[in-house]
Amino acid sequence: AQSVTQLGSHVSVSEGALVLLRCNYSSSVPPYLFWYVQYPNQGLQLLLKYTTGATLVKGINGFEAEFKKSETSFHLTKPSAHMSDAAEYFCAVRSNDYKLSFGAGTTVTVRA
Amino acid sequence: DAGVTQSPTHLIKTRGQQVTLRCSPISGHKSVSWYQQVLGQGPQFIFQYYEKEERGRGNFPDRFSARQFPNYSSELNVNALLLGDSALYLCASSLGSDRAYGYTFGSGTRLTVV
Repeated sequence: AQSVTQLGSHVSVSEGALVLLRCNYSSSVPPYLFWYVQYPNQGLQLLLKYTTGATLVKGINGFEAEFKKSETSFHLTKPSAHMSDAAEYFCAVRSNDYKLSFGAGTTVTVRA
Repeated sequence: DAGVTQSPTHLIKTRGQQVTLRCSPISGHKSVSWYQQVLGQGPQFIFQYYEKEERGRGNFPDRFSARQFPNYSSELNVNALLLGDSALYLCASSLGSDRAYGYTFGSGTRLTVV
């Protein structure tokens, strides 16, 4: 079985401040982990993914995430928020070959 | 290169009707998956097809069916529509079925059932 919990359905940050989105997962096998971003009325865009190897993963738009097996976490960060980062973010886990399981999502608002 | 294309982008149906949604994967991608995203929730897995065979099915009723064609495009069919079927339906393609392959998602079809 696999599942994802995203802590905090809404996060509000000031422009230039740190963005931190929390994700915890459960998986019966070593997981592959993903973060996606969704802008209004659009599909999902892959930000970054962890499969194997280095536990700190860098993605697009200045985002990065760290896989911590002991904490079953895969938190997403960006050092300095930009207005264009306002969107909904989804963490997802893939434990088998055919299914991505998504969290409920975190909506990010960026204040000027 | 064209991304994953879905059609139509929006449609409105009446309860009890049937609907067909279409998806064209990225050229060279042989796997297509379908997800349902209800407003305010994360996407839920419906089906995965690889090389025209069903590889996985989510927890959806038999009213939901899909198929993949020789050119790897796919259709999702939903019969006897219910109000609860109103959602954004996302199609995703990948090179293969192995979990290491990332998905590329289309922009979705917004289905409204009235």
